[in-house]
This record gives sequence, structure tokens and C-alpha cells, in this order.
Amino acid sequence: SQKIEQNSEALNIQEGKTATLTCNYTNYSPAYLQWYRQDPGRGPVFLLLIRENEKEKRKERLKVTFDTTLKQSLFHITASQPADSATYLCALDQTTGGFKTIFGAGTRLFVKA
Amino acid sequence: KAGVTQTPRYLIKTRGQQVTLSCSPISGHRSVSWYQQTPGQGLQFLFEYFSETQRNKGNFPGRFSGRQFSNSRSEMNVSTLELGDSALYLCASSSGPANSEAFFGQGTRLTVV
Repeated sequence: SQKIEQNSEALNIQEGKTATLTCNYTNYSPAYLQWYRQDPGRGPVFLLLIRENEKEKRKERLKVTFDTTLKQSLFHITASQPADSATYLCALDQTTGGFKTIFGAGTRLFVKA
Repeated sequence: KAGVTQTPRYLIKTRGQQVTLSCSPISGHRSVSWYQQTPGQGLQFLFEYFSETQRNKGNFPGRFSGRQFSNSRSEMNVSTLELGDSALYLCASSSGPANSEAFFGQGTRLTVV
């Protein structure tokens, strides 16, 4: 069956360090993958989109990699700050059999000052 | 430009009742998707509409239905409410078919008692 897996355990890191979050998927062939940030009680906010033919994408302190062989995406936040504390969701756009965006359960990140 | 607006923000209903939630997408966006978010299950895809047509539906019972109007506003309806329907219902709009970032509303928090 199709699955998107993100580490369900919270990630605790010290301010200034690099946070790395993982997204693995099985039985999907996504054309692209997205990362979102969600704060408590609010809707997710789009961060980055990476296509299957792109290995890496950067935006300010954020970096995403996409390995279609390993079926994995890594999401990095460099020089992390307490304001980066949130839940981060990865999402796949599946276009075969009808368009839909499927989300992982998310990983909670805590950045300590 | 105005973001995605969902109404109402909070709702309390009794088992067996029905409920209608509303979503106004960003102006010009023709795709609207609905998600159910619960602590245990994460974001679960309900359905997606594009230009008044439902293009895809998630694995939810027939009690969950939706529609989209010619102005792209969308509604979702849940009939015969069950306690397990208590969740945050999120609506997301995007400019087109796949390959578009999704903009989420604040969600409607539904509590079934």
C-alpha cells in the first residue's frame, strides 16, 4: 500500500544547529514533493516544492533534497532559531488516478535557545 | 490579496446532526481541496474540486460530500455526525492542477458531542 512516513518522534535541537527532517515514501511515483510548516491551531504554510528531476532546492536557510531512487526527501534548516519550532509536513502530488496531494503525519521540531 | 477563508472557525454539533462547512479560495484559484486533520491520523485527503468538478476523492464514507460553485467557493457537508468526526477540517486552494503550492485556510474545528 502507499505510505508516506515522517519521524513521529519530536526532534529537539539547540539553536544555531542544523535540523534535518526525513520523509520516506513507498508505492508512489510523485512528480514532485512539497514541504509545509504548521503551527498549532493554524493551517499548513507552503515552504518549498522540488521536482523529481531536481536533486536539491534551496530557499534562504532551507534546503530540500529529493532522491527518487531511495524514495526519500530530506529537509534541512540551517542556523535554526526558536521561531523555527513547528510541525513540518511533507506532501506528494499524485496525478495518476486523479489529482490529489497526500500529506505525511509531520515531524514536530523544537529548537531550544 | 485575501487568503483562504473558512467559516465557521468553531462548531459544536450533536451526534446524528449534519454540518456544512464553507471555504472561499484565493481569488483566481480554481482548485479547492479538503482535508481532515486529527492528532492520530494527520492530514487525510477528503476530496478535490477543480472548476466545479470533483476530480478525486479520498477514502471517506459517503456521509462526507462536497461541491464547488461557479465562483470557486466550496462547501463540504457531513451528514449523520459521529463522535469520530471531531477534527480540524482544512481547505486548501491552488491556482491550477498539479504542480501548484496549496494555500490553506485556518480551518474549522468541529466537535461532535
